[in-house]
Amino acid sequence: QSALTQPASVSGSPGQSITISCTGTSSDVGSYNLVSWYQQHPGKAPKLMIYEGSKRPSGVSNRFSGSKSGNTASLTISGLQAEDEADYYCCSYAGSSTYVVFGGGTKLTVL
Amino acid sequence: QVQLVQSGAEVKKPGASVKVSCKVSGYTLTELSMHWVRQAPGKGLEWMGGFDPEDGETIYAQKFQGRVTMTEDTSTDTAYMELSSLRSEDTAVYYCATDSRVGIFDYWGQGTLVTVSS
Repeated sequence: QSALTQPASVSGSPGQSITISCTGTSSDVGSYNLVSWYQQHPGKAPKLMIYEGSKRPSGVSNRFSGSKSGNTASLTISGLQAEDEADYYCCSYAGSSTYVVFGGGTKLTVL
Repeated sequence: QVQLVQSGAEVKKPGASVKVSCKVSGYTLTELSMHWVRQAPGKGLEWMGGFDPEDGETIYAQKFQGRVTMTEDTSTDTAYMELSSLRSEDTAVYYCATDSRVGIFDYWGQGTLVTVSS
């Protein structure tokens, strides 16, 4: 059982928008603006897509956006493309003793 | 640009230890905060531990306390992760990753598959 809860799967058609939720607690997501999101294609290493809740690293498409409300963070992908099909993981700082916790991952299927 | 190159796949017997390396280029290891994350087959990401620059110490996930040791050789810019008392549940891909700020893992190694089997 992962510390952060994500839906196991989401799907959407090309051009559509989807949102992946990541629910934590007041000890992690709710307490810090330090949620990051990672994209992982099969057999590849994860790639940082969003950090500090809503910031994009250089080179990441602006179709990817992040937000947070209370204990739940969200990743939205707009204008879905075939190459967006991958697994997505959220991660949150959880204080100095636990450090970080990951979500269980969400498989995105582009129909 | 940081590049992380990890050592090759390993096959170990239950009870043995494994040591995975992660060679840094593009930066020196002293400029980075190196962490380790693993992923069991078909499962999610699991943080194992890493260097916390806030207090200058290496911290480990409670689950791995006493079984994992993370070290660094700054003369060769190589980080190491050693896991002992291996069991079948430790079969996973082990990744090194740089932490730019508390859980922001911005650069990743290619991963090292460790298989634990009798």
